[in-house]
Amino acid sequence: SAVISQKPSRDICQRGTSLTIQCQVDSQVTMMFWYRQQPGQSLTLIATANQGSEATYESGFVIDKFPISRPNLTFSTLTVSNMSPEDSSIYLCSVLSDISYEQYFGPGTRLTVT
Amino acid sequence: AQSVSQHNHHVILSEAASLELGCNYSYGGTVNLFWYVQYPGQHLQLLLKYFSGDPLVKGIKGFEAEFIKSKFSFNLRKPSVQWSDTAEYFCAVNPLSGGYNKLIFGAGTRLAVHP
Repeated sequence: SAVISQKPSRDICQRGTSLTIQCQVDSQVTMMFWYRQQPGQSLTLIATANQGSEATYESGFVIDKFPISRPNLTFSTLTVSNMSPEDSSIYLCSVLSDISYEQYFGPGTRLTVT
Repeated sequence: AQSVSQHNHHVILSEAASLELGCNYSYGGTVNLFWYVQYPGQHLQLLLKYFSGDPLVKGIKGFEAEFIKSKFSFNLRKPSVQWSDTAEYFCAVNPLSGGYNKLIFGAGTRLAVHP
């Protein structure tokens, strides 16, 4: 399995500002993902981030709102830009094991936008 | 659109009762199937998975799930639950036409086990 850490674990932000969430994994992985879990709802995939290429966004998510970086095989960042209260959610980083093809999840970042 | 349905949003059981959580998906091609569990205050953990082979798969902590292809179902079962099984359970499907990446999650089922 992979051990994934996220920073920050939680934050309260003002409307109109941006927050960058960091995801660090303890082993090299090809594919990393960012999910959103809105209050009382299930997980929704925001984008897939492969090292050395542009992130692939799911329907309803755009790069200008959620820019993603993937500078190496163990690290990724997700920025939530120009935040509004509707962005209040838990944001989760996930990695796909290159060996087992299982996805492992980080602890999440709980974001509250006021 | 591809979707995953979990039939029960909240389940309340007494210890030693049997558990079955339903999961159905809408996708006609080959899929990988997963159940994840999220204990209170903890992050998502993989409970079990089905890729191919025996449709009855066993996971951690005495859980098992059965893949019934004709019913597009992957129900989770446990013969005798414990208080420590109190958690939220998510069914997830990976449609293989999209490669080994996209997981589509169900809405989740909150299980409360009373001692």
